[in-house]
Amino acid sequence: AQSVTQPDIHITVSEGASLELRCNYSYGATPYLFWYVQSPGQGLQLLLKYFSGDTLVQGIKGFEAEFKRSQSSFNLRKPSVHWSDAAEYFCAVAFTGGGNKLTFGTGTQLKVEL
Amino acid sequence: GAVVSQHPSRVICKSGTSVKIECRSLDFQATTMFWYRQFPKQSLMLMATSNEGSKATYEQGVEKDKFLINHASLTLSTLTVTSAHPEDSSFYICSARLNPDRVRETQYFGPGTRLLVL
Repeated sequence: AQSVTQPDIHITVSEGASLELRCNYSYGATPYLFWYVQSPGQGLQLLLKYFSGDTLVQGIKGFEAEFKRSQSSFNLRKPSVHWSDAAEYFCAVAFTGGGNKLTFGTGTQLKVEL
Repeated sequence: GAVVSQHPSRVICKSGTSVKIECRSLDFQATTMFWYRQFPKQSLMLMATSNEGSKATYEQGVEKDKFLINHASLTLSTLTVTSAHPEDSSFYICSARLNPDRVRETQYFGPGTRLLVL
């Protein structure tokens, strides 16, 4: 069965510092990859997604992610974090043979220090 | 972007009662809606997929008689937790997608409903 691993449960960074959130998946086929952000009182918001083509994907709010097939990874990055980026971040994968369903990682809670 | 609402945002009920949670797509017609459950500090777990006008498809281990899902219109799906017990306390999230067969298509998520069963 497909699975998604986010190794970091909590991450704290200083405002203005760079950020990288890790995501690894396991499955034989090429996945569709997503990053979502969840803020209190709001629904999950899609930051970016990868289906094919250029392995470096640009998203909203200044985020980007890079798909590395050899490492089965899809890490999320941001060059300079803002205090408003504090939230829970979820990586998710889907496969065309997987019933068009998303499988989520356990999430990474980001705290931003001012 | 598309907006999905949920009502209520939080509910407290007594053990043994039933609770209905509504999920609405406000500015688009959702052929497919998904219901997830999220435990504290854990991931979203898909409970079921509902397509408008047809029976919901439940994930393995989810009791369909306990979690009744109705998707009677293209803008509304409901999840009814029947005979709720304290172990059903959780955060329930719905999402909606226009096209049922395209995994590439974005799912739009509601803000969630916090259920506490006493």
